[in-house]
Amino acid sequence: DGGITQSPKYLFRKEGQNVTLSCEQNLNHDAMYWYRQDPGQGLRLIYYSQIVNDFQKGDIAEGYSVSREKKESFPLTVTSAQKNPTAFYLCASSLPGQGHEQYFGPGTRLTVT
Amino acid sequence: EDQVTQSPEALRLQEGESSSLNCSYTVSGLRGLFWYRQDPGKGPEFLFTLYSAGEEKEKERLKATLTKKESFLHITAPKPEDSATYLCAVQETGNTGKLIFGQGTTLQVKP
Repeated sequence: DGGITQSPKYLFRKEGQNVTLSCEQNLNHDAMYWYRQDPGQGLRLIYYSQIVNDFQKGDIAEGYSVSREKKESFPLTVTSAQKNPTAFYLCASSLPGQGHEQYFGPGTRLTVT
Repeated sequence: EDQVTQSPEALRLQEGESSSLNCSYTVSGLRGLFWYRQDPGKGPEFLFTLYSAGEEKEKERLKATLTKKESFLHITAPKPEDSATYLCAVQETGNTGKLIFGQGTTLQVKP
């Protein structure tokens, strides 16, 4: 079955630690995205990548970093510079360009204490 | 500034009681409007894409419509399993696939 996997489902970290969230897709999509979802708010774009070895900042990129070394993978690192890292993180992928729906993974809930 | 606003924030319906959810948007040029369903603790599930004013799409009890300023998601004779948060997102004309999401409408259907 084609789809997007995110791991782990739940992640707990201490303040000051960097943490990397995994996102893998086997849909053969060129474009991949990372969103953050907080209670009562819509999804906010952190980073996106339209092709391997290229990525752009979204609306809330500060405190985050990404890499896109393989078409299937788009890991997100939440650094200690992110002031409010506790949130639900969603990865998505789509065909490149415009007019295409994005397909989402199951999400990772990160809690930092 | 590009903006997507959904209303109401929450909606409670009795089973079989039809209603509509609203998504109003402000973008310089619309490439597409997307509806998603999200269950608690899960990723959004794609429902519909609408590209131009006047377009309509249906899936089971759901029907999405689009005008130049807003979209409606009509729910006909809803069932308890339709309870979820419904998200609207718009894509502006340009050269990226970025989506701008609304805050969502949480629907509860009581038996």
